[in-house]
Amino acid sequence: EVQLVESGGGLVQPGGSLRLSCVVSGFTVSSDYMSWVRQAPGRGLEWVSVIYSGGSTYYTDSVKGRFTISRDNSKNTLYLQMNSLRAEDTAVYYCARHDWFDPWGQGTLVTVSS
Amino acid sequence: QLVLTQSPSASASLGASVKITCTVSSGHKYAIAWHQQQPEKGPRFLMKLNSDGSHNKGDGIPDRFSGSSSGAERYLTISSLQSEDEADYYCQTWDTGIQVFGGGTKLTVL
Repeated sequence: EVQLVESGGGLVQPGGSLRLSCVVSGFTVSSDYMSWVRQAPGRGLEWVSVIYSGGSTYYTDSVKGRFTISRDNSKNTLYLQMNSLRAEDTAVYYCARHDWFDPWGQGTLVTVSS
Repeated sequence: QLVLTQSPSASASLGASVKITCTVSSGHKYAIAWHQQQPEKGPRFLMKLNSDGSHNKGDGIPDRFSGSSSGAERYLTISSLQSEDEADYYCQTWDTGIQVFGGGTKLTVL
């Protein structure tokens, strides 16, 4: 069974850092496109970043230079390193598989506040 | 620029059918995906819908959910509406280096 389980969210002050993890099972994280998507409170879904099976990475403009997507094949885990966090980064963060996001993880809440 | 447009809301009666529309801005070739988000829950993949109308549904998605395409329009049809179908529905597409969501359609089951 394919599963994605996120962790690492929490409360952080503006300017701080967090690293999110997404442990996958049922497939190999390096073999598929993997994305991070977020949803701010009361808002719609927003794509954040993708890493392709070949290793190429892309980001939405608002996080470029602050967030880094990566993976550890030995741990079958996807990561999102988030630096210089802002209040507007407050959201539930989901990892998802494939270009068409099948399946999704359950999400982890990141709150950026002083 | 790749943009997906959805109506903000839709409604239909219990047991009836509803058709939700997603319009692709950048031409007719794009496949999309439909996702459902029930209140206070995470998103759930419903189906991948190709430009020719063929679609592949996610595991456990009931037959009541179907997809179709016409030109730049992509449709999600839900038949025999049930109360648990009341949710937000998002279309989503992709190209190299970018993923795009529509703004979502809030479905109310009357």
